Amino acid sequence: GEDVEQSLFLSVREGDSSVINCTYTDSSSTYLYWYKQEPGAGLQLLTYIFSNMDMKQDQRLTVLLNKKDKHLSLRIADTQTGDSAIYFCAEIDSNYQLIWGAGTKLIIKP
Amino acid sequence: DGGITQSPKYLFRKEGQNVTLSCEQNLNHDAMYWYRQDPGQGLRLIYYSQIVNDFQKGDIAEGYSVSREKKESFPLTVTSAQKNPTAFYLCASSPDTADEAFFGQGTRLTVV
Repeated sequence: GEDVEQSLFLSVREGDSSVINCTYTDSSSTYLYWYKQEPGAGLQLLTYIFSNMDMKQDQRLTVLLNKKDKHLSLRIADTQTGDSAIYFCAEIDSNYQLIWGAGTKLIIKP
Repeated sequence: DGGITQSPKYLFRKEGQNVTLSCEQNLNHDAMYWYRQDPGQGLRLIYYSQIVNDFQKGDIAEGYSVSREKKESFPLTVTSAQKNPTAFYLCASSPDTADEAFFGQGTRLTVV
């Protein structure tokens, strides 16, 4: 079946940029999403990108999509303590279902 | 305000008992979903419903049951047949299955 892979942890210093990476297998994917989950809470949509785009920027967030390599990344500029969370990558598969990565826990060091 | 509500936030049950988790949305969304989240794992789909009175099994439906009698409500029953029921359960809804999903705050179920 289709798969989405992410590293489980990322540790960065406050003020640095964080880059969270994701790879997927479904070449027919039309939408790719980044969700944020704070401790003990549900998921919130951070941003998404259409498969015909290479890049999307939204304030401190930059999403890069490399369709050839099936690689998606989320860059958070000037990382703050409030950015501590688990970040999930997800894609819509050919059956219009969301396929989720395992989530990357972002740890901020002072 | 529009949103999706799960209750309760924490739930404790004795082994062998069935338990029902509530999920209500007032977003007028057609599609609703139940996911299970375990530590260090992504979300796994239990059941989903694209329309009232219809639902399909997800990847890990065994030991669970659902109903969709109203558009706003999609309760999940964790039965005694579910071997490892202790987990964080997330409900979501979307206008249809191809759209952004909106999540509830989750229910943490602990079976003792």
